[in-house]
This record gives sequence, structure tokens and C-alpha cells, in this order.
Amino acid sequence: QVQLVQSGAEVKKPGASVKVSCKGSGNTFMSYDINWVRQATGQGLEWMGWMNPNSGNTGHAQKFQGRLTMTRDTSIRTAYMELSSLRPEDTAVYYCASGIGWVDPWGQGTLVTVSS
Amino acid sequence: DIQMTQSPSSLSASVGDRVTITCRASQGINYYLAWYQQKPGQVPKVLIYAASTLQSGVPSRFSGSGSGTDFTLTISRLQPEDFATYYCQKYDSAPLTFGGGTKVEMK
Repeated sequence: QVQLVQSGAEVKKPGASVKVSCKGSGNTFMSYDINWVRQATGQGLEWMGWMNPNSGNTGHAQKFQGRLTMTRDTSIRTAYMELSSLRPEDTAVYYCASGIGWVDPWGQGTLVTVSS
Repeated sequence: DIQMTQSPSSLSASVGDRVTITCRASQGINYYLAWYQQKPGQVPKVLIYAASTLQSGVPSRFSGSGSGTDFTLTISRLQPEDFATYYCQKYDSAPLTFGGGTKVEMK
């Protein structure tokens, strides 16, 4: 089964961008979509978008239109999520998770803090 | 977009209790529903997918039912390790929306 390891915590200023990586291991990394989900402290789960590692095709929630970019480097089995024009309300733990539909497993999460 | 509404948002229960959590979709999603458990400081874990299929390794005290718009997660006899927050998620089509969560607390 694939295991997902994410990059470390980030602190960004409002208006900046952040790029989080999600490295997969195991033979099934390319077989399933990579989804991105975020969770603000004490809040629920918010699905952001998906990417097919093979084709690079993506889809995202409307609220992230124009701000969310998902890419991958198949040579190193790594997916990336970049969120631009950051605002304080984007402060959250960002997870990658593998699956087509329901998702499992998940990465360990990356805390992104947006503060001036 | 289809909205997912969970109820209750929190509940208090005792070890051994039967617990039922409801998830309602604003439009029909067939059986494309999953349930997740999340403990404080931990990553969410899938319990059930396709509305009623138990993920490998998940105890049989967890069960799911429903189709269309109304779904239920049941814990037949609550165990100490089951105190957590539970989320439903639709996956019939994007966006793959989560419900707001149900926190199961100790009475």
C-alpha cells in the first residue's frame, strides 16, 4: 500500500504562496488520485481538490478557483499543492490523501500558518 | 454543489452504549459515501466506504447503512478507543464534500 510523506511546516505572510509536497512510496502511488484536504484548528475537514498522478488532470472546489495549483513529478513520485494569495484564514493543517473517491491512506499533514 | 449535513454535531455517551450518527446529502448520491474517524492530533482514518462496506481492520462494531440521501453510522457497543470525531464524505462526483463532523464524547 502507498505511504504518503509530506513536507514540513511553513509560515507565510498574507499575500504569499505556499507549496506543499507529498511523496509516495509503494507501487500504487500512480494508481490512485491524490486529494488535498485541509483542517483549521478545531474545525472540520475541507476537501480542496484532486489530481491524477498519471495524466496530471485536476479538479478542485470552487472556493479555491484561481488560487490552487496541483502538480506532480512522476520521476520522484511526488505530488505538490500550491496555494496562492494566502490569507490568515488559510491557516490550517493540509493533508494529501490517496484514493479515487474515498481516501486512504493520508499523509501526516503539513501545518501552514499565515501571519503578518 | 451537494451539501452534507451531519447530526448531531456532538453527543455524550458511555462505554457500551449504542451510538448512531446521521449524514444527509442535499441530493441523492447513491451509495457513494464514506465514514472517517479522527482522534485528536491524528490523521483521519476511513472506517466505511460505499455506505456500508467495512474497511479492512476496522472492528465489526462499526456499521454503515443508507443510500440516496440518508446515511447512518452505528457503533454497536462503544469502546474507550471510539471517543473521537466522525465525518462522512460524499464521493459520487467532485467536490468530494465532507460533513461537518460529529464529536463523540464521554458522558
